[in-house]
Amino acid sequence: EPEVTQTPSHQVTQMGQEVILRCVPISNHLYFYWYRQILGQKVEFLVSFYNNEISEKSEIFDDQFSVERPDGSNFTLKIRSTKLEDSAMYFCASSPNNEQFFGPGTRLTVL
Amino acid sequence: GQQLNQSPQSMFIQEGEDVSMNCTSSSIFNTWLWYKQDPGEGPVLLIALYKAGELTSNGRLTAQFGITRKDSFLNISASIPSDVGIYFCAGRRKNNAGNMLTFGGGTRLMVKP
Repeated sequence: EPEVTQTPSHQVTQMGQEVILRCVPISNHLYFYWYRQILGQKVEFLVSFYNNEISEKSEIFDDQFSVERPDGSNFTLKIRSTKLEDSAMYFCASSPNNEQFFGPGTRLTVL
Repeated sequence: GQQLNQSPQSMFIQEGEDVSMNCTSSSIFNTWLWYKQDPGEGPVLLIALYKAGELTSNGRLTAQFGITRKDSFLNISASIPSDVGIYFCAGRRKNNAGNMLTFGGGTRLMVKP
């Protein structure tokens, strides 16, 4: 059964550094998303992407964040200058319609 | 912003017991989804609900979309140890251009063999 995949599984970075989190959505899906989950808290929406552009974003998704679909398969989330409070699990999801399927996540630790 | 209130926050039950959890909101949602999350993993979709009043089952799981479109519940019958995890409700509002999901705070389920 097709799955959303994410790399790396764990990323450790220094405050102020740039990170790129990578996702490969399910191949015939049209909508792509990034969510984050701070340890012990609920899942929070960051951004959705459709037809090669951002369709919706939350207040968390500020100028430090950007997304890109550089080719036909990858979907990336870039954080330009990481802060301590960016430490969280970052989940990519994709959907053909209303049902969103999540990847295993990338644990980002900012030191 | 939109809030989903999920309860209970945690449950510790005996294997074989039935479980019920629910989500409520002050806002109307067009779609309700229920996910299960195991430690260190991503949420896994269990059930999707699209119409007010809809009752849908997936094995031992049953979920309903509330008539008012502001609530949903999930029942698990005859719980087993592998049901352990965190269960999240998630809702999508009708006019979300980007299909954004709002998540509840989760219900942590613990099952005693």
